Amino acid sequence: SQTIHQWPATLVQPVGSPLSLECTVEGTSNPNLYWYRQAAGRGLQLLFYSVGIGQISSEVPQNLSASRPQDRQFILSSKKLLLSDSGFYLCAWNWGGKQYFGPGTRLTVT
Amino acid sequence: AQSVTQLDSQVPVFEEAPVELRCNYSSSVSVYLFWYVQYPNQGLQLLLKYLSGSTLVKGINGFEAEFNKSQTSFHLRKPSVHISDTAEYFCAVSGRETSGSRLTFGEGTQLTVNP
Repeated sequence: SQTIHQWPATLVQPVGSPLSLECTVEGTSNPNLYWYRQAAGRGLQLLFYSVGIGQISSEVPQNLSASRPQDRQFILSSKKLLLSDSGFYLCAWNWGGKQYFGPGTRLTVT
Repeated sequence: AQSVTQLDSQVPVFEEAPVELRCNYSSSVSVYLFWYVQYPNQGLQLLLKYLSGSTLVKGINGFEAEFNKSQTSFHLRKPSVHISDTAEYFCAVSGRETSGSRLTFGEGTQLTVNP
């Protein structure tokens, strides 16, 4: 069966520090992968999606970036975090017409 | 491009009462429709989806939704809610022709079930 992993589960980082969130998928090959963010009191926002290794599409300009170094690995990064980067980050993959979400990472920027 | 509007940001109800969470969408192409639930401090879970066929879709935990193409709506209903249904509910849409099935989400509706 397919599973999706995200880590860490929670993270508290100071403003200006770097960020690296990792997402891996098991049980499938060449999945379409997505990063979403849910800011407090707001809906979900698609940040990046990837249809293959090294292929990244950005939906919203910001200080975040994404990379896909391996088929089943999707990484969300930042060189310098802002307060506004706080939120709940979800990785997802697509199969059979629907999306499956990972457990999420709750990021608090202080 | 698609957009989703969830008409109520907060819906308070009493236990065992019926509930309807409203969702309207706009799209220039045919769509798939979804409802997701997010319990406190957890990730998203798929409640139900409409891909094709019958416009009345039944999901988990006793929820159902009806796709109304003429009104571009996909309202979520439950005839009798429980305390455990307290959560944030998201309506989402993806275009059938969209590469990679990207989802567009509504802003969410916080359902609070009171005893």
